[in-house]
Amino acid sequence: SQKIEQNSEALNIQEGKTATLTCNYTNYSPAYLQWYRQDPGRGPVFLLLIRENEKEKRKERLKVTFDTTLKQSLFHITASQPADSATYLCALESGGYNKLIFGAGTRLAVHP
Amino acid sequence: DGGITQSPKYLFRKEGQNVTLSCEQNLNHDAMYWYRQDPGQGLRLIYYSQIVNDFQKGDIAEGYSVSREKKESFPLTVTSAQKNPTAFYLCASSIAQGAYGYTFGSGTRLTVV
Repeated sequence: SQKIEQNSEALNIQEGKTATLTCNYTNYSPAYLQWYRQDPGRGPVFLLLIRENEKEKRKERLKVTFDTTLKQSLFHITASQPADSATYLCALESGGYNKLIFGAGTRLAVHP
Repeated sequence: DGGITQSPKYLFRKEGQNVTLSCEQNLNHDAMYWYRQDPGQGLRLIYYSQIVNDFQKGDIAEGYSVSREKKESFPLTVTSAQKNPTAFYLCASSIAQGAYGYTFGSGTRLTVV
């Protein structure tokens, strides 16, 4: 079955450093992949989408890579700030019609 | 402002009771989705709808039912057949065709008492 793995351990980094989160998947070849941010008790917020024929996508301090050979996406936040502290979810297109399957997310904590 | 509204924010259900969670959007999106989120797990798809009067089962549809009588509304009923309903329920909407991000509501936390 399709499986998405995100590091379940929280990532703790110092303010100003680059945070890198990993999303690995198996048993599927998604046409695109998305990243979301979720704050406690809130719904996820869409951040970025990257297609299978794109290697990299950037938006302000965010960068996403997509390696279909490794079946992996990396999500980077440069010059991180305490306000970036949240859980970040990876989601893969599954079966068409813009239907997504989600990973469990990785919690990021940026310390001053 | 366009958005997606879920209500209530908190809901308590007694054993054997059906409850309905509301989801309304004014984004003119054709597609709507219901997900369930449990601690330490990813969002799991319950039902989705690509167009009015049509919907499909997701991965964990047992014990749930939906309707899509209007484009703006996609209510979810948690029936007494759902044995472990305590969870955080999220509704989302998107443009149906092509690759687009979802807009999520703020969620409903359902607790069985």
